[in-house]
This record gives sequence, structure tokens and C-alpha cells, in this order.
Amino acid sequence: GAVVSQHPSRVICKSGTSVKIECRSLDFQATTMFWYRQFPKQSLMLMATSNEGSKATYEQGVEKDKFLINHASLTLSTLTVTSAHPEDSSFYICSAQKGNSPLHFGNGTRLTVT
Amino acid sequence: AQSVTQLDSQVPVFEEAPVELRCNYSSSVSVYLFWYVQYPNQGLQLLLKYLSGSTLVKGINGFEAEFNKSQTSFHLRKPSVHISDTAEYFCAVSGPAPEGYSTLTFGKGTMLLVSP
Repeated sequence: GAVVSQHPSRVICKSGTSVKIECRSLDFQATTMFWYRQFPKQSLMLMATSNEGSKATYEQGVEKDKFLINHASLTLSTLTVTSAHPEDSSFYICSAQKGNSPLHFGNGTRLTVT
Repeated sequence: AQSVTQLDSQVPVFEEAPVELRCNYSSSVSVYLFWYVQYPNQGLQLLLKYLSGSTLVKGINGFEAEFNKSQTSFHLRKPSVHISDTAEYFCAVSGPAPEGYSTLTFGKGTMLLVSP
């Protein structure tokens, strides 16, 4: 089945630094990738939708300058959390989609900002 | 706008007992419905989905769900659970076609706790 690889699985960084999370579709070309944020014991909140070669579409309330999304190829999208602060600590999950087919989720990245 | 309500935040059951996880949705148009499972510190895995046709949908790991349009529900069931079914379960609804799978709205999740 389709596989989406997300890296790193866990990262700890200091306040003020930037962190990059990668999302790769390993065996299919993802025309669309989605980034979600999940707080403890809560649901997934869609942050943004990115299509290859175009700017990401951010959900209301998500700071585009803080959460930089790049979808440079059909197999790779990156989320960069810039100038991270402790309140950015969360579980970030990506999903990838080819055309109008079902979503395939990565295994998530646990970000802890100290 | 669409929304998903999972009334039970946590459901404890004993191994080999049946279980039902409840999901209700609201939408003014036709929707697609999904159940996902999330194991600790992992992403989501699709259990099953309803797109059209038969209202009883069978998924992986012995799970099934029934779409009830009049009650706007999509409850998840399993006749006999295993310890390994312990996980968080999310019900989700997607926007109307042709958006298809894109605009997923998730419920808050139900933690299924299976004990021996």
C-alpha cells in the first residue's frame, strides 16, 4: 500500500530556533499534501494544504510566516516551524494524496520546544 | 459547514467483548464518512470509509460501521475486541464531491481501552 514517510519522528529544540519536518510519499506522486497539528487528547486540526509547485493554502488562524510550507516536488513537502516557542510544542502530522484518491498519513512528528 | 461529534472520549471494554464507538455528523450536503485509528505516537490509519451504496461498511481488523442518514450517524462496531485494538479512533467527514477526500473534518476522537 501507499507509504508516507515523515521525518523526524521526534525533535527537541530550544526556543527561538527553527525546525524543519519532512513529509515524503515513497511510492506515489502526491499532488496534494496536508499538514495537521494535534494537541494532547484532541483531534487533528488542519493547518494548511499544499499543492506541488504552488503556494500553500493556510487555514484561518494559522500564521503562514511562522509555519512555512514548501512543496517543491511531487514526493516531498516540508513544514518549517520558524522561531519556535514552547506553545508550538505539539504533534504534527502530514498526509499525502494523489488526485482524488484516499489520504495516506505519515507517522507524525513530536515537537518539543524548551 | 460540517462537523463531527464523538460523544465518548473514552470507552473501556474487556477483551472479547463487543464494542460500539459512536459518531454523529452534521452537514447540509452529501458527505463521505471515515473511521481512522491512531496508535500512540503514530499517524492515522484508515479503518473504513463510506462513499455510497451499501450502508453497512466493512473495514480492516474486523471493524464495521453503518451509515444511518436519518440519524446522521456512522457508528463503528466490532463484535469481539482484542488487546491490540487499544488505540484512539477518529471519525471524519469530508466535503461534498467533487472535493472528495480533501476537506476532512475530524471528530475529537474516542480512546478505546481494552483490558484482559
